[in-house]
Order: sequence, then structure tokens, then C-alpha cells
Amino acid sequence: KAGVTQTPRYLIKTRGQQVTLSCSPISGHRSVSWYQQTPGQGLQFLFEYFSETQRNKGNFPGRFSGRQFSNSRSEMNVSTLELGDSALYLCASSTWTGWAEQFFGPGTRLTVL
Amino acid sequence: GIQVEQSPPDLILQEGANSTLRCNFSDSVNNLQWFHQNPWGQLINLFYIPSGTKQNGRLSATTVATERYSLLYISSSQTTDSGVYFCAVEGVDSSYKLIFGSGTRLLVRP
Repeated sequence: KAGVTQTPRYLIKTRGQQVTLSCSPISGHRSVSWYQQTPGQGLQFLFEYFSETQRNKGNFPGRFSGRQFSNSRSEMNVSTLELGDSALYLCASSTWTGWAEQFFGPGTRLTVL
Repeated sequence: GIQVEQSPPDLILQEGANSTLRCNFSDSVNNLQWFHQNPWGQLINLFYIPSGTKQNGRLSATTVATERYSLLYISSSQTTDSGVYFCAVEGVDSSYKLIFGSGTRLLVRP
């Protein structure tokens, strides 16, 4: 069974631009979560989706948004990029939600210049 | 919210040595996972262990939920074990999200 896939793997943007990252979960998984990893803040939860509904959201500004499609694929969007948004963005999927093992994709490394 | 503390922050071992990594958490949890982050950034699942003991080859883990800690044991370490090990929990009051510790950075020297 294929793992979680994320595209693109690397991205370079400039301040003020917006970016969209994509995540395809493991087949059969309906929960998708997003995390940001930076050297200063570590791994932080962004949001979680299940059946196209956002069920939890981390403490990030409104510039960070996401959505989930009917096939469980998910996208996250960051508008008006700031230098501090440079990070590794990781997507995880699980079979259902609440106490299920989560499996992570390879991540998208975003650099904001 | 729930706090997750990992120790030690850094660990240097000679190949063949054994080690124990610790994860303390501040509240009751429904889910606890151990991950190894490879040099390319991907988080590799090691254990899903909200309670009890599990073993997988040279690795084993124990979670004592009532005392709010988990231990990851690495025996006969190899250079390929190098990397960062993370503990992550899903609290009973924070469903649908994992809270990560700051990790233990392990270096195994040949």
C-alpha cells in the first residue's frame, strides 16, 4: 500500500506570495492532519480534517488555511508569506480519528525569501 | 494544554551500546507514538504505544500511562540509528492532534 504523498517536495517563494501544498493520504485513510516543523518551535499542529470537516485547529494565524476533498486528499494554503513561514510542512493520515496511529508523508520544505 | 518533555536532548553513543530515551507527559493520553526522523525529514513510525510494552527487533518501548511516561530502548545501536527521536501524544482533552516533544538527537559513532 502506498504511503502518504506530498507535493511539491521543495518550494521557494518570496515574501507576500501565497502557496498551496498538497497531501494524498494512504488509501482508506479518512483523517488528514498538517504540522509545521521549524528549528525554533519544533513540530506544531496546524489542523486536522475528517470527511471534509475541520475538527481541530492549532494556534496559527488566519493566513494558514486548509481543506479536504471528498477523496480525502487535502491541501493547505498560506497567504501573504512571511520569512518565518519557512519550514518543513508535514502531512499525516490515519484510518479514522481519535487515538489512531498516524502515518507521515515525506514533507514539503518551504523556503521564503 | 498537555506538555511533553523528552530526555536527554542529545545523546552520543559508540556503536554497539544500549540507550534509553524518556518521554514524560503532563496529562492523560489516548495515543502515544514514537518516531525516528530521518535526515530527509520524514517521520518514521517506530511504535504506537498508549500503554504496555512492545518490541520490534533491537527497539522496544514501554508506556506507563498511570505514571505519565514512556521509554524507548535501543539495544546494540548502529550508525543508522542516528537521527532525532520524537515522542508525540494525543491528550484526552485534545483529540485529533499530536503534541510533540522537542526530541532526542542521537549520534552513534562507528
